Amino acid sequence: GAVVSQHPSWVICKSGTSVKIECRSLDFQATTMFWYRQFPKQSLMLMATSNEGSKATYEQGVEKDKFLINHASLTLSTLTVTSAHPEDSSFYICSAMDSGTGGSYGYTFGSGTRLTVV
Amino acid sequence: KQEVTQIPAALSVPEGENLVLNCSFTDSAIYNLQWFRQDPGKGLTSLLLIQSSQREQTSGRLNASLDKSSGRSTLYIAASQPGDSATYLCAVTRTASKLTFGTGTRLQVTL
Repeated sequence: GAVVSQHPSWVICKSGTSVKIECRSLDFQATTMFWYRQFPKQSLMLMATSNEGSKATYEQGVEKDKFLINHASLTLSTLTVTSAHPEDSSFYICSAMDSGTGGSYGYTFGSGTRLTVV
Repeated sequence: KQEVTQIPAALSVPEGENLVLNCSFTDSAIYNLQWFRQDPGKGLTSLLLIQSSQREQTSGRLNASLDKSSGRSTLYIAASQPGDSATYLCAVTRTASKLTFGTGTRLQVTL
C-alpha cells in the first residue's frame, strides 16, 4: 500500500532557529502533497498545498515567508519553519495523493512531527 | 465553504459494545469521504474510503455508510475492543484535492 514517510518525528529547537521537516512518498509518485497543523485536542488544519515543480498554495492566514514549502520532486516535499517561535510549537502532518490514481484511493498521511520551540 | 461536523465529540463505552460515530457535511458535492483513526501523538491511519457513487464500505469490524443527499456518513464499529480507543476523523474532498476534516470523535473503550 501507499506509504508516506515523515521525518523527524519530533524536534526541539531554540527560538529564532529554522527547522526543516521532510515528507516522502515511498512507493508512489505524488504530484500534490498537503501540510497540516494540529493543536492539542483539535482537528487538522490545512496550511498549504504543495505542487511538484511550482509554488505552494497557502491557506488564508498562513504566513508563506515563515512556512517555506519546497516540492522539488515527485516523492519529496519539505516544510521549513523559519525563525521559529514558541507559538509555532505544534504537531505538523503531511499527506500525499497518488498521482497515478488522482486521489481516487484517498490520501496517505505521514506519522507527524512534534515541534517544540524553546 | 464546506463544514464537517462529528457527533459525539467524545464517547466512552464498555468493551464489546457496538457503536456508531456520526459525520455530517454541509456541501453534498463531494468527491469522496474518508474515515481515519488517530492515536495520541501519531499520524493518521486510513480506515475506509467511500467514493461519491458508493453507499457503504466494510473492513473487518468497521462499516461506513454515505448518504450524499443528506450530507451524512456513519462509522459503525462492531464488538468494540480497548484497542479501538483513539480519535476518529472523517474528511471529505470536493475534487481530487484537499481534504476538509471533521472535528473528530474521541473514543475510549473500557475493560
